[in-house]
Amino acid sequence: SQQGEEDPQALSIQEGENATMNCSYKTSINNLQWYRQNSGRGLVHLILIRSNEREKHSGRLRVTLDTSKKSSSLLITASRAADTASYFCATDRYSGAGSYQLTFGKGTKLSVIP
Amino acid sequence: DAGITQSPRHKVTETGTPVTLRCHQTENHRYMYWYRQDPGHGLRLIHYSYGVKDTDKGEVSDGYSVSRSKTEDFLLTLESATSSQTSVYFCAISERDSSYEQYFGPGTRLTVT
Repeated sequence: SQQGEEDPQALSIQEGENATMNCSYKTSINNLQWYRQNSGRGLVHLILIRSNEREKHSGRLRVTLDTSKKSSSLLITASRAADTASYFCATDRYSGAGSYQLTFGKGTKLSVIP
Repeated sequence: DAGITQSPRHKVTETGTPVTLRCHQTENHRYMYWYRQDPGHGLRLIHYSYGVKDTDKGEVSDGYSVSRSKTEDFLLTLESATSSQTSVYFCAISERDSSYEQYFGPGTRLTVT
Protein backbone atom coordinates (compact mmCIF):
# COMPACT_ATOMS: atom_id res chain seq x y z
CA SER A 1 0.00 0.00 0.00
CA GLN A 2 1.18 3.51 -0.78
CA GLN A 3 2.53 5.33 2.25
CA GLY A 4 3.52 8.59 0.58
CA GLU A 5 1.54 10.46 -2.05
CA GLU A 6 3.03 13.34 -4.03
CA ASP A 7 1.16 16.35 -5.24
CA PRO A 8 0.91 17.58 -7.95
CA GLN A 9 1.33 14.61 -10.28
CA ALA A 10 2.87 16.90 -12.91
CA LEU A 11 4.33 20.39 -12.80
CA SER A 12 5.60 22.56 -15.63
CA ILE A 13 7.55 25.75 -14.94
CA GLN A 14 9.90 28.17 -16.65
CA GLU A 15 13.63 28.04 -16.03
CA GLY A 16 14.55 30.27 -13.09
CA GLU A 17 11.24 29.77 -11.28
CA ASN A 18 10.86 27.84 -8.05
CA ALA A 19 9.22 24.41 -7.98
CA THR A 20 7.34 23.08 -4.98
CA MET A 21 6.25 19.48 -4.58
CA ASN A 22 4.31 18.06 -1.67
CA CYS A 23 4.14 14.66 -0.06
CA SER A 24 1.55 13.35 2.36
CA TYR A 25 1.79 10.12 4.29
CA LYS A 26 -0.43 8.08 6.57
CA THR A 27 1.44 6.57 9.49
CA SER A 28 4.23 7.72 11.78
CA ILE A 29 7.73 7.70 10.36
CA ASN A 30 11.37 7.79 11.42
CA ASN A 31 12.64 9.47 8.27
CA LEU A 32 11.34 10.87 5.03
CA GLN A 33 13.46 10.94 1.91
CA TRP A 34 13.27 12.58 -1.50
CA TYR A 35 14.62 10.98 -4.66
CA ARG A 36 14.97 12.14 -8.25
CA GLN A 37 14.64 9.97 -11.34
CA ASN A 38 15.69 11.10 -14.76
CA SER A 39 13.95 9.41 -17.66
CA GLY A 40 15.17 5.86 -18.16
CA ARG A 41 17.51 5.96 -15.15
CA GLY A 42 17.59 4.72 -11.60
CA LEU A 43 16.57 6.85 -8.63
CA VAL A 44 19.07 9.21 -7.05
CA HIS A 45 18.87 10.10 -3.36
CA LEU A 46 18.47 13.84 -2.76
CA ILE A 47 17.87 14.42 0.91
CA LEU A 48 16.78 12.67 4.12
CA ILE A 49 14.94 14.47 6.89
CA ARG A 50 14.41 12.87 10.27
CA SER A 51 11.11 12.99 12.12
CA ASN A 52 12.56 15.36 14.74
CA GLU A 53 13.70 17.85 12.08
CA ARG A 54 11.48 20.54 10.59
CA GLU A 55 13.60 21.84 7.73
CA LYS A 56 16.69 20.82 5.83
CA HIS A 57 18.67 22.42 3.02
CA SER A 58 20.98 21.00 0.39
CA GLY A 59 22.17 23.39 -2.29
CA ARG A 60 19.07 24.63 -4.13
CA LEU A 61 16.85 22.12 -2.32
CA ARG A 62 14.80 22.90 0.74
CA VAL A 63 12.76 20.20 2.45
CA THR A 64 10.25 20.78 5.21
CA LEU A 65 8.52 18.21 7.38
CA ASP A 66 5.35 18.69 9.41
CA THR A 67 4.74 15.51 11.40
CA SER A 68 1.50 16.87 12.87
CA LYS A 69 0.06 17.14 9.36
CA LYS A 70 1.96 14.11 8.08
CA SER A 71 3.28 16.08 5.15
CA SER A 72 6.53 17.22 3.58
CA SER A 73 7.44 19.61 0.82
CA LEU A 74 10.40 19.82 -1.53
CA LEU A 75 11.32 23.22 -2.89
CA ILE A 76 13.75 23.58 -5.77
CA THR A 77 14.86 27.18 -6.15
CA ALA A 78 16.01 28.84 -9.39
CA SER A 79 15.14 25.77 -11.43
CA ARG A 80 17.20 24.68 -14.42
CA ALA A 81 16.35 22.57 -17.45
CA ALA A 82 18.52 19.84 -15.93
CA ASP A 83 16.07 19.61 -13.00
CA THR A 84 13.53 18.07 -15.37
CA ALA A 85 12.82 14.68 -13.80
CA SER A 86 10.36 12.79 -11.62
CA TYR A 87 10.60 13.36 -7.90
CA PHE A 88 9.56 10.78 -5.32
CA CYS A 89 9.10 10.92 -1.60
CA ALA A 90 9.79 7.80 0.41
CA THR A 91 8.86 6.99 3.97
CA ASP A 92 9.88 4.15 6.21
CA ARG A 93 7.13 1.86 7.35
CA TYR A 94 7.45 -0.62 10.18
CA SER A 95 7.09 -4.12 8.73
CA GLY A 96 7.45 -6.15 11.90
CA ALA A 97 10.24 -7.96 13.77
CA GLY A 98 12.18 -4.74 14.20
CA SER A 99 12.55 -4.06 10.49
CA TYR A 100 11.41 -1.20 8.29
CA GLN A 101 10.57 -0.99 4.62
CA LEU A 102 10.87 2.09 2.47
CA THR A 103 7.69 2.90 0.57
CA PHE A 104 7.60 5.30 -2.34
CA GLY A 105 4.92 7.59 -3.65
CA LYS A 106 3.95 7.69 -7.31
CA GLY A 107 6.02 10.78 -7.98
CA THR A 108 5.73 14.30 -9.33
CA LYS A 109 6.88 14.79 -12.90
CA LEU A 110 8.63 18.15 -13.16
CA SER A 111 9.27 19.80 -16.51
CA VAL A 112 11.48 22.89 -16.58
CA ILE A 113 11.13 24.81 -19.81
CA PRO A 114 14.26 26.66 -20.98
CA ASP B 1 25.15 4.62 -10.08
CA ALA B 2 27.17 4.08 -6.88
CA GLY B 3 28.90 0.85 -7.90
CA ILE B 4 25.75 -1.08 -8.71
CA THR B 5 25.25 -2.99 -11.93
CA GLN B 6 22.26 -4.94 -13.12
CA SER B 7 22.17 -7.61 -15.77
CA PRO B 8 20.66 -7.99 -18.21
CA ARG B 9 19.55 -4.41 -18.88
CA HIS B 10 16.82 -5.52 -21.25
CA LYS B 11 15.12 -8.86 -21.65
CA VAL B 12 12.18 -10.19 -23.60
CA THR B 13 10.90 -13.58 -22.57
CA GLU B 14 7.86 -15.75 -23.08
CA THR B 15 5.16 -16.55 -20.55
CA GLY B 16 6.04 -19.57 -18.47
CA THR B 17 9.81 -19.36 -18.81
CA PRO B 18 12.11 -18.85 -15.83
CA VAL B 19 14.04 -15.59 -15.63
CA THR B 20 16.87 -14.53 -13.33
CA LEU B 21 17.97 -10.94 -12.89
CA ARG B 22 21.28 -10.16 -11.26
CA CYS B 23 22.34 -7.24 -9.12
CA HIS B 24 26.02 -6.76 -8.35
CA GLN B 25 27.50 -4.16 -5.98
CA THR B 26 31.04 -3.13 -5.24
CA GLU B 27 30.20 -1.03 -2.14
CA ASN B 28 30.11 -3.86 0.39
CA HIS B 29 26.73 -2.63 1.66
CA ARG B 30 24.83 -4.99 3.88
CA TYR B 31 21.31 -4.32 2.61
CA MET B 32 20.10 -5.03 -0.93
CA TYR B 33 16.63 -4.61 -2.40
CA TRP B 34 14.63 -5.48 -5.47
CA TYR B 35 11.85 -3.12 -6.60
CA ARG B 36 9.57 -3.04 -9.57
CA GLN B 37 8.35 0.19 -11.15
CA ASP B 38 5.09 0.32 -13.04
CA PRO B 39 3.08 3.28 -14.36
CA GLY B 40 0.53 4.38 -11.79
CA HIS B 41 2.14 2.40 -8.97
CA GLY B 42 5.51 4.00 -8.35
CA LEU B 43 8.17 1.74 -6.89
CA ARG B 44 7.13 -1.33 -4.95
CA LEU B 45 9.41 -3.55 -2.90
CA ILE B 46 9.61 -7.18 -3.99
CA HIS B 47 12.22 -8.70 -1.66
CA TYR B 48 15.16 -7.48 0.32
CA SER B 49 18.25 -8.90 1.96
CA TYR B 50 19.89 -7.85 5.21
CA GLY B 51 22.92 -10.11 4.86
CA VAL B 52 24.27 -13.17 3.12
CA LYS B 53 21.54 -15.81 3.05
CA ASP B 54 19.19 -13.44 4.97
CA THR B 55 16.20 -12.34 2.93
CA ASP B 56 12.64 -11.23 3.53
CA LYS B 57 9.51 -10.47 1.55
CA GLY B 58 8.34 -7.08 0.46
CA GLU B 59 4.98 -5.75 -0.61
CA VAL B 60 4.70 -7.65 -3.93
CA SER B 61 6.69 -10.87 -3.43
CA ASP B 62 4.27 -13.39 -4.98
CA GLY B 63 5.80 -15.06 -8.04
CA TYR B 64 9.35 -14.01 -7.13
CA SER B 65 12.19 -15.60 -5.22
CA VAL B 66 15.61 -14.25 -4.30
CA SER B 67 18.98 -15.52 -3.25
CA ARG B 68 22.09 -13.95 -1.82
CA SER B 69 25.08 -16.25 -1.50
CA LYS B 70 27.66 -13.45 -1.53
CA THR B 71 27.63 -9.92 -0.15
CA GLU B 72 27.99 -8.44 -3.62
CA ASP B 73 25.31 -10.38 -5.51
CA PHE B 74 21.54 -10.44 -5.13
CA LEU B 75 19.54 -12.53 -7.59
CA LEU B 76 15.85 -12.15 -8.40
CA THR B 77 14.15 -15.14 -10.02
CA LEU B 78 10.80 -15.35 -11.71
CA GLU B 79 10.14 -19.07 -11.63
CA SER B 80 7.49 -18.93 -14.36
CA ALA B 81 7.16 -15.49 -15.89
CA THR B 82 3.71 -13.99 -16.47
CA SER B 83 2.67 -10.94 -18.47
CA SER B 84 1.84 -9.12 -15.21
CA GLN B 85 5.55 -9.26 -14.39
CA THR B 86 6.39 -7.05 -17.35
CA SER B 87 8.03 -4.12 -15.59
CA VAL B 88 11.21 -2.22 -14.93
CA TYR B 89 13.16 -3.82 -12.09
CA PHE B 90 15.52 -1.83 -9.91
CA CYS B 91 18.08 -3.06 -7.48
CA ALA B 92 19.09 -0.84 -4.58
CA ILE B 93 21.61 -1.01 -1.75
CA SER B 94 21.98 0.68 1.57
CA GLU B 95 24.66 0.69 4.21
CA ARG B 96 22.20 0.57 7.07
CA ASP B 97 18.57 -0.48 7.17
CA SER B 98 15.64 0.58 5.04
CA SER B 99 15.16 3.79 6.97
CA TYR B 100 18.31 5.23 5.42
CA GLU B 101 19.33 6.38 1.99
CA GLN B 102 19.34 3.85 -0.77
CA TYR B 103 21.44 3.79 -3.94
CA PHE B 104 19.85 2.48 -7.08
CA GLY B 105 21.10 0.55 -10.06
CA PRO B 106 20.26 1.48 -13.65
CA GLY B 107 17.32 -0.92 -13.93
CA THR B 108 16.33 -3.91 -16.04
CA ARG B 109 13.44 -3.62 -18.46
CA LEU B 110 11.68 -6.99 -18.63
CA THR B 111 8.97 -7.76 -21.15
CA VAL B 112 7.00 -10.99 -20.86
CA THR B 113 5.11 -11.84 -24.06
